[in-house]
Amino acid sequence: KQEVTQIPAALSVPEGENLVLNCSFTDSAIYNLQWFRQDPGKGLTSLLLIQSSQREQTSGRLNASLDKSSGRSTLYIAASQPGDSATYLCAVRSGTYKYIFGTGTRLKVLA
Amino acid sequence: GAGVSQSPSNKVTEKGKDVELRCDPISGHTALYWYRQSLGQGLEFLIYFQGNSAPDKSGLPSDRFSAERTGGSVSTLTIQRTQQEDSAVYLCASSPSLGAEYEQYFGPGTRLTVT
Repeated sequence: KQEVTQIPAALSVPEGENLVLNCSFTDSAIYNLQWFRQDPGKGLTSLLLIQSSQREQTSGRLNASLDKSSGRSTLYIAASQPGDSATYLCAVRSGTYKYIFGTGTRLKVLA
Repeated sequence: GAGVSQSPSNKVTEKGKDVELRCDPISGHTALYWYRQSLGQGLEFLIYFQGNSAPDKSGLPSDRFSAERTGGSVSTLTIQRTQQEDSAVYLCASSPSLGAEYEQYFGPGTRLTVT
């Protein structure tokens, strides 16, 4: 059974800092991995989608890497801003059409 | 263009009543998914549709839950005889197709409170 873990559960950093969020999964047989952000009371916004054959994806200040064999993905946020404050969720798709989500990392970027 | 929309945004109901939650996917998206996010919990997959067909209903928590999709577009999640443990945010997502190359786009959710 696929399990997804995100560390840390919460993170508070000063503005401008580069940071890394971690996601690990127990079954390496995945189709893809997707990173989302969730703002309080809102739905999920897709940030990056990495296919199983890819090692990384970049969008602006965000870079996500995937190491399938070790069951890990990282989301790198460069030059963090207060507007980046949100909960970040990773989700893996393996075997079926559903995503298995981690419980998220709550990020607070201090001005 | 318009994203995924859900209605109502908030629903408060008494224990034992039935509720219907609605999802309007992005136009042209053939795949539709329902998830549930309980307080302090991660997102839990409930059911998916390809067109109007739901091949896998094993994620539905109990037989009080059902879902349908008509015309390959709007979907309704129905919860009968609601219980307090049904209180959660119900999220709907859609994608162009079921293929793994497609992102899932989420709606804002319906917050259900059962009193």
